[in-house]
Amino acid sequence: KAGVTQTPRYLIKTRGQQVTLSCSPISGHRSVSWYQQTPGQGLQFLFEYFSETQRNKGNFPGRFSGRQFSNSRSEMNVSTLELGDSALYLCASSHHIGTEAFFGQGTRLTVV
Amino acid sequence: KQEVTQIPAALSVPEGENLVLNCSFTDSAIYNLQWFRQDPGKGLTSLLLIQSSQREQTSGRLNASLDKSSGRSTLYIAASQPGDSATYLCAVSRLSSGSARQLTFGSGTQLTVLP
Repeated sequence: KAGVTQTPRYLIKTRGQQVTLSCSPISGHRSVSWYQQTPGQGLQFLFEYFSETQRNKGNFPGRFSGRQFSNSRSEMNVSTLELGDSALYLCASSHHIGTEAFFGQGTRLTVV
Repeated sequence: KQEVTQIPAALSVPEGENLVLNCSFTDSAIYNLQWFRQDPGKGLTSLLLIQSSQREQTSGRLNASLDKSSGRSTLYIAASQPGDSATYLCAVSRLSSGSARQLTFGSGTQLTVLP
């Protein structure tokens, strides 16, 4: 059974650009969550999607957005990138809300 | 607001030792607690999930306990091996409004097992 797949694995972007990250959950999982990991702040919740609907959003500016497609794949978008957006972005999938979360390998975003 | 604390921040032990990692949380109204392992530069690997109604879970050399009333969980690793070296994270989930779930993470314990 394939795990959670995140693409791309690495990205280098310039300040002011925008970026889109992709997450394919485990087959049959309908819940997808996104987290940002930085050395200073640790792991912070960005948002959660279930059945194509955003169910919850963390305390991040509106530059961070996401969506979920009918096949449960999810994308997150960050517009007008800032240096502080450099982080490991992790996606987690679970079969249903409240069940065990499985994480992908992450996308390492570097903003220069 | 839920806060999760993990002590110690770093731990170094010789191979073969049994060890305990601690996790505490401030809000006992949790849905479940999950322990993860993270290797440098990699994603998180789920180790154990404990539902709020459970007291402990076991998987191989790992045993996790949960005391919801005191806001504590421990991860016990038996007969540690160098391959156990990693950062261990605990996370608690709470059903928020709209039936959403989010995980609140501790800052992790960086474990080094010396050969």
